Amino acid sequence: DAGVIQSPRHEVTEMGQEVTLRCKPISGHDYLFWYRQTMMRGLELLIYFNNNVPIDDSGMPEDRFSAKMPNASFSTLKIQPSEPRDSAVYFCASSLGGQGSFHTYEQYFGPGTRLTVT
Amino acid sequence: AQSVTQLGSHVSVSEGALVLLRCNYSSSVPPYLFWYVQYPNQGLQLLLKYTTGATLVKGINGFEAEFKKSETSFHLTKPSAHMSDAAEYFCAVSDLGPSGTYKYIFGTGTRLKVLA
Repeated sequence: DAGVIQSPRHEVTEMGQEVTLRCKPISGHDYLFWYRQTMMRGLELLIYFNNNVPIDDSGMPEDRFSAKMPNASFSTLKIQPSEPRDSAVYFCASSLGGQGSFHTYEQYFGPGTRLTVT
Repeated sequence: AQSVTQLGSHVSVSEGALVLLRCNYSSSVPPYLFWYVQYPNQGLQLLLKYTTGATLVKGINGFEAEFKKSETSFHLTKPSAHMSDAAEYFCAVSDLGPSGTYKYIFGTGTRLKVLA
């Protein structure tokens, strides 16, 4: 398996523009996580899905952020409109977990998308 | 509430010296504990994990960690540091959150520097 795939790897955009980050999880994994990493706040969980259903989005910072998982092999994280404070590295991760036991499993991280909003 | 504390955001060791990265946690139930490593411009990857059973856990690249319930600690060690160990290390705990769903909480990370 190619691992978790994220695109683009780097994104530079202007304030106010819409940004869409994409993720393809490892085949067969039933959990998908979106994280944001900054120097100031470290690694923050934004949202996670189980079998394509959002389970916990309490980490999503504002309504400007939205995430979808239309099928088991694809997820998007959208920021509209983007702001300079959204600049960060965004990671997607996936794991096994069955029904509610993801916490015992390893999470596999993608390489991340480095977002810069000017 | 569960949390993870990593003491020391930066640690420097000489090549060949002992590596000790500290992690303490708080949890309302027996936790599941993990150490991840992040190399520059890469995602995190698992070093080792503790779920149940033996409290001394061996991982990849010669790392190990010991779960000490009485001290609520899960410190990461390696007897002899190698230059390739230079990276950022994250401790993580998964625990039952207040809403009844599990949470996976990462510490703030410790950047390890290995001196030649």
